Amino acid sequence: QVQLVQSGAEVKKPGASVKVSCKASGYTFTSYDINWVRQATGQGLEWMGWMNPNSGNTGYAQKFQGRVTMTRNTSISTAYMELSSLRSEDTAVYYCARPGGIAYYYGMDVWGQGTTVTVSS
Amino acid sequence: SYELTQPPSVSVSPGQTARITCSGDALPKQYAYWYQQKPGQAPVLVIYKDSERPSGIPERFSGSSSGTTVTLTISGVQAEDEADYYCQSADSSGTVVFGGGTKLTVL
Repeated sequence: QVQLVQSGAEVKKPGASVKVSCKASGYTFTSYDINWVRQATGQGLEWMGWMNPNSGNTGYAQKFQGRVTMTRNTSISTAYMELSSLRSEDTAVYYCARPGGIAYYYGMDVWGQGTTVTVSS
Repeated sequence: SYELTQPPSVSVSPGQTARITCSGDALPKQYAYWYQQKPGQAPVLVIYKDSERPSGIPERFSGSSSGTTVTLTISGVQAEDEADYYCQSADSSGTVVFGGGTKLTVL
């Protein structure tokens, strides 16, 4: 079945970087964009950006420009999201999600299980 | 920046109809999508392209659009429908935006 499996929980110190992976299976990885969405405890969903696994093209939400990098390794059908200069406000669950259509802004019908990132000194 | 506005909470009794609205200036030009999220779980897409229902989603979930407002309707609400619901769309530059979320309480 189509699924996205993310890497495990991370604990980082302020100022450090974190890299979360998202392994796709059950479909052709390069045929669909990947979005990254985060959710702080008790808060709503926040879109971080998208990546096209075929071309490597990316688009980031303005809030994360300069701090986020989305990459992929097509040989292992895995997408990555790296967030740098971490601060306490970055503590959240991070999700990768696949849109159901040809463009990243279509509804996301496949989600990873989420990766908890905790930023604490 | 572009915003989608949802009511923070909606309450209904079992068997009644719940309506959750989402307002945004670009909604007449951009599709809206709805997600259901239960505690500790990833969101689930329940409506796409304003009013289409993915396979596996119960028929009691429906969506509609009128001007700058889209509405998620849950007919014959069941206890299992208690969850947070989020609308999602995009602005003219392609930035994906989520509404603030609505907590549906089944009394």
